[in-house]
Amino acid sequence: DAGVIQSPRHEVTEMGQEVTLRCKPISGHDYLFWYRQTMMRGLELLIYFNNNVPIDDSGMPEDRFSAKMPNASFSTLKIQPSEPRDSAVYFCASRTGASGYGYTFGSGTRLTVV
Amino acid sequence: GQQVMQIPQYQHVQEGEDFTTYCNSSTTLSNIQWYKQRPGGHPVFLIQLVKSGEVKKQKRLTFQFGEAKKNSSLHITATQTTDVGTYFCAVTSSGSARQLTFGSGTQLTVLP
Repeated sequence: DAGVIQSPRHEVTEMGQEVTLRCKPISGHDYLFWYRQTMMRGLELLIYFNNNVPIDDSGMPEDRFSAKMPNASFSTLKIQPSEPRDSAVYFCASRTGASGYGYTFGSGTRLTVV
Repeated sequence: GQQVMQIPQYQHVQEGEDFTTYCNSSTTLSNIQWYKQRPGGHPVFLIQLVKSGEVKKQKRLTFQFGEAKKNSSLHITATQTTDVGTYFCAVTSSGSARQLTFGSGTQLTVLP
């Protein structure tokens, strides 16, 4: 298994531009999570899906952020318009529904908004 | 959501010394997970503890869950340079929710 795959690995964009981050979870995992990591705030949960349905988006910072999961093998996190304070590493993670198993994280997307 | 305090924030040790990081909660936890993140990397799942007083070992790593299920620790014996990274504890919210709340992490530096 290739694990959780995220793209791009790095993204540099100008303030005001739209940014789309992509994630392919591990096949068979029922849950998909989007986290953001910064030095100041650590690892923050933005949103998570169960069987492609968004369950909790209370961590999404503003209406500028949106996430979709059109099918079991693909999810996107979109920021429109982007701002410098959105600069962070964005991780996607997935897990099986069975208990006792941890999350498998992707390698992350390092976003820099200038 | 569930919150957990993790200490220390940073720890520098000489190679061969032991290392311990602690997580504390004001409420009873259903379980706790531990992750390791290498510099520039992503969090990697190490273990989950569920039972009161549980102790699990992985080679030089020993994980403990407190009797009251309000605290946990990760102890590394005889650290090596490969142990460098940030160690996070993570807890799940109550009920059937599956989302993890991560502690702030302990950044371990091992000096050769």
